[in-house]
Amino acid sequence: NAGVTQTPKFQVLKTGQSMTLQCAQDMNHEYMSWYRQDPGMGLRLIHYSVGAGITDQGEVPNGYNVSRSTTEDFPLRLLSAAPSQTSVYFCASSYHDRVGAGELFFGEGSRLTVL
Amino acid sequence: GQQVMQIPQYQHVQEGEDFTTYCNSSTTLSNIQWYKQRPGGHPVFLIQLVKSGEVKKQKRLTFQFGEAKKNSSLHITATQTTDVGTYFCGNNAGNMLTFGGGTRLMVKP
Repeated sequence: NAGVTQTPKFQVLKTGQSMTLQCAQDMNHEYMSWYRQDPGMGLRLIHYSVGAGITDQGEVPNGYNVSRSTTEDFPLRLLSAAPSQTSVYFCASSYHDRVGAGELFFGEGSRLTVL
Repeated sequence: GQQVMQIPQYQHVQEGEDFTTYCNSSTTLSNIQWYKQRPGGHPVFLIQLVKSGEVKKQKRLTFQFGEAKKNSSLHITATQTTDVGTYFCGNNAGNMLTFGGGTRLMVKP
């Protein structure tokens, strides 16, 4: 059981470039989400999904797109990278019920630097 | 989503001392989750509290959910160097699971 797998682990981009952070989970979780964590800061929710074909905005969605074509995958796209998007990105997944998301399983993170 | 505030932001303790972090909200929370993140690592789930006044223990860690479900605390008895890390509380608001800013715990041996 791999859990939540994120790729790449490290990436350096130039301002204006686009890229996709990949996230895959093998636990058949309905709920998936992306967070960013800046140095010394907490976790801020970017986008989330409660199932295939359903996505929604979190606290800081601007500059990012997501899609959920399968239960397993939840890629995060940076459309035109900016230095303010330099951060560590975490993907997480969970079961989901009427209360909301349960225990989140996090990936190991993707460290992105935008020059 | 509902905002939860976490205090303190940082805490230095001597090994063997106790430590407490608090999570506060101005509105009633449906549930509260606690996570630990070691330096350079990813957050790892510790526990979820759902019921008003709930208290749960995991070895030296005690978790409480307030009677009004507006606050929660994590208490560590006799800290060890292995407790070093940042502790986050999170809550579900609708389908969004958002987090407080975290409390960074540093333990001096």
